[in-house]
Amino acid sequence: AQSVTQPDIHITVSEGASLELRCNYSYGATPYLFWYVQSPGQGLQLLLKYFSGDTLVQGIKGFEAEFKRSQSSFNLRKPSVHWSDAAEYFCAVGPTGFQKLVFGTGTRLLVSP
Amino acid sequence: EAGVVQSPRYKIIEKKQPVAFWCNPISGHNTLYWYRQNLGQGPELLIRYENEEAVDDSQLPKDRFSAERLKGVDSTLKIQPAELGDSAVYLCASSGTASSYEQYFGPGTRLTVT
Repeated sequence: AQSVTQPDIHITVSEGASLELRCNYSYGATPYLFWYVQSPGQGLQLLLKYFSGDTLVQGIKGFEAEFKRSQSSFNLRKPSVHWSDAAEYFCAVGPTGFQKLVFGTGTRLLVSP
Repeated sequence: EAGVVQSPRYKIIEKKQPVAFWCNPISGHNTLYWYRQNLGQGPELLIRYENEEAVDDSQLPKDRFSAERLKGVDSTLKIQPAELGDSAVYLCASSGTASSYEQYFGPGTRLTVT
């Protein structure tokens, strides 16, 4: 069955430490891939997206993600986490484009002092 | 540029009552989406509009949910009658030309059905 998996429900990272959030998908072809962030009481904000080309994409707020076709993964990374990064992060897949997105269940990031 | 506007931000109703949510997309965006986000879950698409036409409503529970987008701008999502299981955050999003490849989300309406 087609799905998007974010295996980590919660992750706690110390401020200044590096971060990696995992995302795996199960679709036949290479879909459109997205990472969104949702702060409490806020809508979703796009961090970055991948359609084709360079498999390492840069986004806003210092985030990057790497598409690995062989692993069907699109993991989000940040070299140094700030307290303001505490939020819920959603991986989303567009099997046929950007207009029909399937979201993962999200990973809640907690940042400790 | 103003973002996607939604109202109300919060709504508490008793079961079996009707409720409506309103969305004003970003100016010039032809495509409008309604999502439902249950607690601890990612958003799930309910309906997508291209201008006034609902082009994807396969996930909309049509027995109690309805939506409209008059004049291809603002949209209203209605639930009648509401059930306890409808408690969720209802998100509206919009997108413009295909070249942007991005959906812009509003802050959502948190519905609590008691």
